[in-house]
Amino acid sequence: DAKTTQPTSMDCAEGRAANLPCNHSTISGNEYVYWYRQIHSQGPQYIIHGLKNNETNEMASLIITEDRKSSTLILPHATLRDTAVYYCIVRSLNTGTASKLTFGTGTRLQVTL
Amino acid sequence: DAGVIQSPRHEVTEMGQEVTLRCKPISGHNSLFWYRQTMMRGLELLIYFNNNVPIDDSGMPEDRFSAKMPNASFSTLKIQPSEPRDSAVYFCASSPRHQNTEAFFGQGTRLTVV
Repeated sequence: DAKTTQPTSMDCAEGRAANLPCNHSTISGNEYVYWYRQIHSQGPQYIIHGLKNNETNEMASLIITEDRKSSTLILPHATLRDTAVYYCIVRSLNTGTASKLTFGTGTRLQVTL
Repeated sequence: DAGVIQSPRHEVTEMGQEVTLRCKPISGHNSLFWYRQTMMRGLELLIYFNNNVPIDDSGMPEDRFSAKMPNASFSTLKIQPSEPRDSAVYFCASSPRHQNTEAFFGQGTRLTVV
């Protein structure tokens, strides 16, 4: 699976949009971009995933560049409860069953008042 | 649905003892993952199963670690003998049948080996 690069930490003011970047320059055509987050002392939580089109759900938006070498997770109105470590993961496509899900070091997002 | 259930939530054991961690995946999910998390090494994938069959155990640190999935609703991760460096939070996760859908994580088992 392709490797990802994320900033170690970021700060965001409450109520503002949090934009978390991820580089995955070696991504291949059958690999998806996944985002998870881990709030302190909890298990990781799925946020969103995409292949090449931008995606949006109730939690966040995912913007993937046209060349698919980078992506940005957007939390439109960050709250204190969004303080967590955010993981960008590239995951290969398997037929019929789930594939390996490998976590990197992630970005520690601190939302402040 | 109760989600992925792990037991125990906390385990303290003495070095050399056998430790068994348990996981009940979400009903209907056919993939199960075991992870270990430490401050030094982050979140490491130890092993994962598809349809109760181990697919990739390359993350299992050594022969002291073993994992089984005797049926679709239960998995164990065993450490024998345990060592202080095995102290970590161990997470189990499961995924539904369709390819590349999200994985749901349990709350983890915090293991301390003294």
